[in-house]
Amino acid sequence: EPEVTQTPSHQVTQMGQEVILRCVPISNHLYFYWYRQILGQKVEFLVSFYNNEISEKSEIFDDQFSVERPDGSNFTLKIRSTKLEDSAMYFCASSGVLSTQYFGPGTRLLVL
Amino acid sequence: AQSVSQHNHHVILSEAASLELGCNYSYGGTVNLFWYVQYPGQHLQLLLKYFSGDPLVKGIKGFEAEFIKSKFSFNLRKPSVQWSDTAEYFCAVKGYGNNRLAFGKGNQVVVIP
Repeated sequence: EPEVTQTPSHQVTQMGQEVILRCVPISNHLYFYWYRQILGQKVEFLVSFYNNEISEKSEIFDDQFSVERPDGSNFTLKIRSTKLEDSAMYFCASSGVLSTQYFGPGTRLLVL
Repeated sequence: AQSVSQHNHHVILSEAASLELGCNYSYGGTVNLFWYVQYPGQHLQLLLKYFSGDPLVKGIKGFEAEFIKSKFSFNLRKPSVQWSDTAEYFCAVKGYGNNRLAFGKGNQVVVIP
């Protein structure tokens, strides 16, 4: 069964550094998403991406965040200047048209 | 914006007991509803979903959920749990035409053999 994959599984960075989280969505899916879960809190929507552009974003997704599909398989989330409060588990998901979102295993980001 | 409430964050029960997890949502329009499960050390997996039609939906591993529109609820049930059902269970809602899923805080379920 096809799966969403994410790399790295863990990332530790210093405050103010840039990080790039990578995802490989399911190959025939057209919609891509990022979510995050701060420890002890709900899974929160960050952004959705379709047809090479952002289709929806939350109030969390400010100017320090960006997403890109640099080639036919990868989908990345960049955090330009990390803050302590960006420490969280980041989940990538993908879906077909109007269908179920399938999640990757997550990247645990720790900002020191 | 849609939101989801899940109560009884920690549930401990014995094998063969019945399980019911409550999920209430708030959203003014048509919704798609989901239960996801996260087993220890694994990623979020779809347990079942409701898009339309029969409000009683059956998922994997003997789980079912009932959509009650008048109560804005989508409760998850399993008549007889097994130790392998130990996991965290998340209810999620998506407004029709939206992209974002709104998640509840999750229920940590521990089944004692």
